[in-house]
Amino acid sequence: NAGVMQNPRHLVRRRGQEARLRCSPMKGHSHVYWYRQLPEEGLKFMVYLQKENIIDESGMPKERFSAEFPKEGPSILRIQQVVRGDSAAYFCASSPERPSTDTQYFGPGTRLTVL
Amino acid sequence: ILNVEQSPQSLHVQEGDSTNFTCSFPSSNFYALHWYRWETAKSPEALFVMTLNGDEKKKGRISATLNTKEGYSYLYIKGSQPEDSATYLCASYSYNNNDMRFGAGTRLTVKP
Repeated sequence: NAGVMQNPRHLVRRRGQEARLRCSPMKGHSHVYWYRQLPEEGLKFMVYLQKENIIDESGMPKERFSAEFPKEGPSILRIQQVVRGDSAAYFCASSPERPSTDTQYFGPGTRLTVL
Repeated sequence: ILNVEQSPQSLHVQEGDSTNFTCSFPSSNFYALHWYRWETAKSPEALFVMTLNGDEKKKGRISATLNTKEGYSYLYIKGSQPEDSATYLCASYSYNNNDMRFGAGTRLTVKP
């Protein structure tokens, strides 16, 4: 049973370009979460999705950031017109149920560098 | 407490020492407390999930306790080994949130 997969592992973008980060949850998991780790900081929640639905996006910046989890295919975190401050490690996690008592399983992260 | 806070921020111990660190979280609407172990260049790995006041969990040399009334959890490592070196994260899940609130972590370094 493959774990949570994220790609790419490293992504370099110039200011103004778009960044697309992909997350494939573990088999059988229908809940996906995205987190951001800024340099020298801990993990910050961004968004929680179920298949085809955004459940909570309270941690995601209102502009330039969007997320989706389509019926088929991976979850996508999209950052438009990237700026240097977007440079961070982005982790996704998945769980079979809501994270009340279910463990979230984390992917290896995507390290985004904005030049 | 509004956020999840962990202390100390970092800790250096000698091999064989026992150590512990603290996670403080909002006690209102509390539902579950998670502990993760995060090694450099890897993804966070789940250690424990605790929900009930007074819960104690153990995994090898690592154990954790939970006090939901006062809003804190302790993580203990007995006889630390160099391979225990990692950042230990706690995260709190509340009834009124859909998200897990993570602390900034305690970075443990065990010297041989």
